Amino acid sequence: GAGVSQSPSNKVTEKGKDVELRCDPISGHTALYWYRQSLGQGLEFLIYFQGNSAPDKSGLPSDRFSAERTGGSVSTLTIQRTQQEDSAVYLCASSSPGGQVGEQFFGPGTRLTVL
Amino acid sequence: GENVEQHPSTLSVQEGDSAVIKCTYSDSASNYFPWYKQELGKRPQLIIDIRSNVGEKKDQRIAVTLNKTAKHFSLHITETQPEDSAVYFCAASWFTGGGNKLTFGTGTQLKVEL
Repeated sequence: GAGVSQSPSNKVTEKGKDVELRCDPISGHTALYWYRQSLGQGLEFLIYFQGNSAPDKSGLPSDRFSAERTGGSVSTLTIQRTQQEDSAVYLCASSSPGGQVGEQFFGPGTRLTVL
Repeated sequence: GENVEQHPSTLSVQEGDSAVIKCTYSDSASNYFPWYKQELGKRPQLIIDIRSNVGEKKDQRIAVTLNKTAKHFSLHITETQPEDSAVYFCAASWFTGGGNKLTFGTGTQLKVEL
């Protein structure tokens, strides 16, 4: 079946603008995660949605970052008033408690460049 | 929160040799330890994982060992091949059954030379 998809694949924006990044998880996966990967760095946890529970926002770096997950499927990560330090690859992942327990499947990422 | 350290940051081996990457974690409650491989420009992909109820797991040329007492785990790749060249990330989490946010190490760039 289809894997995790993300759009856009690349986004170039000017400092101060808002951006929206989209993630389509694997159908039926109840958990959805956002991570950020800066150049040459590891993956940094941002936010996690599990079913209808309140999201775990503990990794969001500032209040300029927010995310929604509508209908338990598609998620949008919004960055307001972008800064140059927001430049990174934003990766989405999903997992299913019914599948191989714990495995997270990653999307291809959105490369964000803030000029 | 959890903190994961990974060493070395770069590793160069000759084809056919073994490669070992080591990680330590800080939270004794962590019970799930996956390893991801990320080729240049591609998404991370799970290659092997281990849970805290076992000390070792093997899948063909890849093995992972876990020492809960010392809070460290290692990835072992035997008979390395050029296609093993990639960045490898370890991670740790406390898996609750519903999901698990992962704390990643900073990655190891493995280069397998002919």
